Amino acid sequence: EIVMTQSPATLSVSPGERATLSCRASQSVSSNLAWYQQKPGQAPRLLFYGTSTRATGIPARFSGGGSGTEFTLTISSLQSEDFAVYYCQQYNNWYSFGQGTKLEIK
Amino acid sequence: QVQLVQSGAEVKKPGASAKVFCKASGYTFTTYAIHWLRQAPGQRLEWMGWINAGNGNTKYSQSFQGRVTFTRDTSASTAYMELSSLRSEDTALYYCARESNSFDIWGQGTMVSVSS
Repeated sequence: EIVMTQSPATLSVSPGERATLSCRASQSVSSNLAWYQQKPGQAPRLLFYGTSTRATGIPARFSGGGSGTEFTLTISSLQSEDFAVYYCQQYNNWYSFGQGTKLEIK
Repeated sequence: QVQLVQSGAEVKKPGASAKVFCKASGYTFTTYAIHWLRQAPGQRLEWMGWINAGNGNTKYSQSFQGRVTFTRDTSASTAYMELSSLRSEDTALYYCARESNSFDIWGQGTMVSVSS
């Protein structure tokens, strides 16, 4: 089983600032990495697949990068609606998720 | 619009079974696989398996093998997940999700609570 580890667990950032979230895989997942955003009481929303391809309707301030075992999600200028929990997920060898990073308002 | 709508919350006794439905609309149901996942309180999302909505083939996570069954009714564009021999650790929010570029569309989730 591929274990996904996200850091930090909580990230406090002010609106308008940049946020960078990290995700590490226990073994290579190639570029088969997705990111999701989840707000309280809602289902996860797909942000990226294939590491860096934005899903439909995702703003350009979001970017995804990395390969192999190290991945990042960057939000260039945080808006109020961006504060949420973010999950990475690998789909190279079945499917597994990270434990999430909570992005909160500083 | 494309959406998946799930059945409502369930409360079950240990040892019972729970059956959740996931009704698709806005797209051709048989074109995409439906995956089932769950999120227990304070835990990460856990993949349970998938069903090919076209031919009915299934794949179950080893963690649930023997306890979970996926079916579908193409005439109703609906997928079903049944989990048997429930225990307290199965208390979780259960999701269905469409597979397209990973999981692009999710149901709203169904809370299954297991308590004596």
